[in-house]
Amino acid sequence: IAGITQAPTSQILAAGRRMTLRCTQDMRHNAMYWYRQDLGLGLRLIHYSNTAGTTGKGEVPDGYSVSRANTDDFPLTLASAVPSQTSVYFCASSEVAGIGADTQYFGPGTRLTVL
Amino acid sequence: GQNIDQPTEMTATEGAIVQINCTYQTSGFNGLFWYQQHAGEAPTFLSYNVLDGLEEKGRFSSFLSRSKGYSYLLLKELQMKDSASYLCAVRDNDYKLSFGAGTTVTVRA
Repeated sequence: IAGITQAPTSQILAAGRRMTLRCTQDMRHNAMYWYRQDLGLGLRLIHYSNTAGTTGKGEVPDGYSVSRANTDDFPLTLASAVPSQTSVYFCASSEVAGIGADTQYFGPGTRLTVL
Repeated sequence: GQNIDQPTEMTATEGAIVQINCTYQTSGFNGLFWYQQHAGEAPTFLSYNVLDGLEEKGRFSSFLSRSKGYSYLLLKELQMKDSASYLCAVRDNDYKLSFGAGTTVTVRA
């Protein structure tokens, strides 16, 4: 069982380019999340999905879009990358959003640099 | 909005005890979490508190006071492998997590 996988591991991208970060989980979790982590700011929620077919905006959604066509996959797209989107991106999943301990399991992260 | 504060850095000696404090002011409260994150790695779950009091799990304990908006993570019998960042996170009434910036703990021999 792999848990959560993310691709690519790292990427250098020219500003203005379109980029999709991939996230796949094999735990059949209902909820999935995308965070960005910047030095001194901690993890900030970009978008989330409580179940397949639904998505919601987090704290910093501008410039990003997501889709949740099935339970396992939750891609994050940057339509036109800007340097301020340089960050480490973590995908996470949890069994059911907000119930009990509802532990979130994190993927290994994608380090994105926008030049 | 959410405001979660924790110290930036702490240093302690191997075998000692360290207490990481977290204070929060949030628009709703539905649980408090602590995560551990080693450098260059993903965060991993440590503890969860939703009621006031102390939760103990081996060498790690977490305390919550909802009336004071306060939690702490206690690390006992520190080991070198405990050198990491420790993230305090609060779940709001919409079931979303807000994270503090993290506390980097350095354990010295």
